[in-house]
Amino acid sequence: GQQVMQIPQYQHVQEGEDFTTYCNSSTTLSNIQWYKQRPGGHPVFLIQLVKSGEVKKQKRLTFQFGEAKKNSSLHITATQTTDVGTYFCAGPNNDMRFGAGTRLTVKP
Amino acid sequence: DAGVIQSPRHEVTEMGQEVTLRCKPISGHNSLFWYRQTMMRGLELLIYFNNNVPIDDSGMPEDRFSAKMPNASFSTLKIQPSEPRDSAVYFCASSYTAPGNSPLHFGNGTRLTVT
Repeated sequence: GQQVMQIPQYQHVQEGEDFTTYCNSSTTLSNIQWYKQRPGGHPVFLIQLVKSGEVKKQKRLTFQFGEAKKNSSLHITATQTTDVGTYFCAGPNNDMRFGAGTRLTVKP
Repeated sequence: DAGVIQSPRHEVTEMGQEVTLRCKPISGHNSLFWYRQTMMRGLELLIYFNNNVPIDDSGMPEDRFSAKMPNASFSTLKIQPSEPRDSAVYFCASSYTAPGNSPLHFGNGTRLTVT
């Protein structure tokens, strides 16, 4: 299976700044899931995107699925210290193998 | 819903010893996954089961690792003999349907230290 690639690997922002992480695949994804793992915790499911061009929002988080269903993004508006953690994407095309994730740190 | 239950939470053992990690998936979930997480290698899929049958074990590092799922409510991951490089956090996760069609629910993990 093809593993999805995530960028950037690390992101350090000042509290209040925006943050975006991207997930890219060379093959078309049937759907994509996003997870968040807090330091010392376990991955927690955030959302699943299924439709081409789909956009979903959860408060300050905006998730997008590309028109070609080969990429996805997670955007956080006005980051807070509670957003700290590693964000992962994963898809069924590779049996739920996770990418390296994007580790977000937020400076208060 | 008690969630996915893993035991033990922490395990410290000496090189060469056998280690058994246990997982109870959420009742009614048909798929179960074992992952290993380290700083160097990230979150690796070791093996997953669907309806108690191992579907993909290509992520199992070597013959020292084995996983079983004797019934729908229990799975084990065994390492024999253990080595220091096996030190990691091992997560078990379950989902209602086949991989990717429903969310994964992770347990709290087992932190394994092999000295």
